[in-house]
Amino acid sequence: EIVLTQSPATLSLSPGERATLFCRASETIDRLLAWYQQKPGQAPTPLIYDASYRATGVPARFTGSGSGTDFTLTISSLESEDFAVYYCQQPVTPITFGGGTKVEI
Amino acid sequence: QVQLQESGPGLVKPSETLSLACTVSGVSIRNDDSHWNWIRQDPGKGLEWIGYIHHSGTTNYNPSLHSRLSMSIDTSKNQISLTLKSVTAADTGTYYCVRDPALGAFDSWGPGTKVTVSS
Repeated sequence: EIVLTQSPATLSLSPGERATLFCRASETIDRLLAWYQQKPGQAPTPLIYDASYRATGVPARFTGSGSGTDFTLTISSLESEDFAVYYCQQPVTPITFGGGTKVEI
Repeated sequence: QVQLQESGPGLVKPSETLSLACTVSGVSIRNDDSHWNWIRQDPGKGLEWIGYIHHSGTTNYNPSLHSRLSMSIDTSKNQISLTLKSVTAADTGTYYCVRDPALGAFDSWGPGTKVTVSS
């Protein structure tokens, strides 16, 4: 199975700062990568699919990039509601998720 | 707008069978080309894909669970179901019903149902 490794595990930032999250795949997945945001007690919500396409309603401050094995999610200027856990996911079965990056204040 | 709602017992005894249902609204499963997935999350931990089913009956299961797992669709109820046999404490977690509209990504998630395996 394809292993996704996210880094860092925790990112401590302040509102208004830029957040850069990484996801590395154990083998090439072209641009087949999605990102999700999860807040405590809630289901994940989609942010990005196909590496760089924002899901419906996702603010423009969220940008996905990358291809092959290395991917990045950038939040250009953190808002208070962005402090959450972020997961990457690839669709080659068995579908797998990264271990998550917690963005905390 | 697609909505998914999971239902099932909150508590299951070890070695017994877990059965969950997901009721879908906003779209007819029989007319939709999506993969209907189950994903679970250990308390405080990450996400694990369990498997999916298509309205044609095609299934794809995580090899780690394949021998204990079964999924089905009831188009008359617009519902998908999961059955997991011989559960252990390792099966404790929140189970999500999730749609992949043939994107390779998940666009709609149910709120999740918590399952505890304990005697």
